[in-house]
Amino acid sequence: NAGVTQTPKFQVLKTGQSMTLQCAQDMNHEYMSWYRQDPGMGLRLIHYSVGAGITDQGEVPNGYNVSRSTTEDFPLRLLSAAPSQTSVYFCASSYSFPSWGVAFFGQGTRLTVV
Amino acid sequence: GESVGLHLPTLSVQEGDNSIINCAYSNSASDYFIWYKQESGKGPQFIIDIRSNMDKRQGQRVTVLLNKTVKHLSLQIAATQPGDSAVYFCAENRNAGNMLTFGGGTRLMVKP
Repeated sequence: NAGVTQTPKFQVLKTGQSMTLQCAQDMNHEYMSWYRQDPGMGLRLIHYSVGAGITDQGEVPNGYNVSRSTTEDFPLRLLSAAPSQTSVYFCASSYSFPSWGVAFFGQGTRLTVV
Repeated sequence: GESVGLHLPTLSVQEGDNSIINCAYSNSASDYFIWYKQESGKGPQFIIDIRSNMDKRQGQRVTVLLNKTVKHLSLQIAATQPGDSAVYFCAENRNAGNMLTFGGGTRLMVKP
């Protein structure tokens, strides 16, 4: 089992560029979510999904889009990157909603916007 | 190197000693709390959780204490080992809602 796989691990973008952070899980989890982690802070929820075809906003959704066409994949799209989006991004999945205690996190994507 | 945790409070303990990491939570309506461990370059890892109808829960070498009166949560690690060195986060959830609110984290450093 690969668990939760995020790609890429590192990315540098120019202001205004768009890109998609990929997240895939092979555990047949229904619940998936995206967080960002800034220096000296805990994680903040961007978007989440309780199943294929269903997504909703978290605490800090502005500037990001998500979709959930399959159970396995939950990509996060930055529409027009801004320096304020420089952060480490984590994807997480869990068996059910909201089984926080058994959430599996990916290794993170370190994004720098210049 | 890591870009997170540059300004985190740090707890330094001697190997073999007990560690106590504290967390003050903000929402009196929160009813579920979790402690996560995050090692450098990795995602958070679940340690232990507790619901608001309890004031203490024990795991393997770890104990979580909840004081709802003062909205305080603590994580106790017995016989701290070098492998315990990491950043520890508490998180709170309200009424099985869809968001976890994370604290700022504490860096635990274990001296050999």
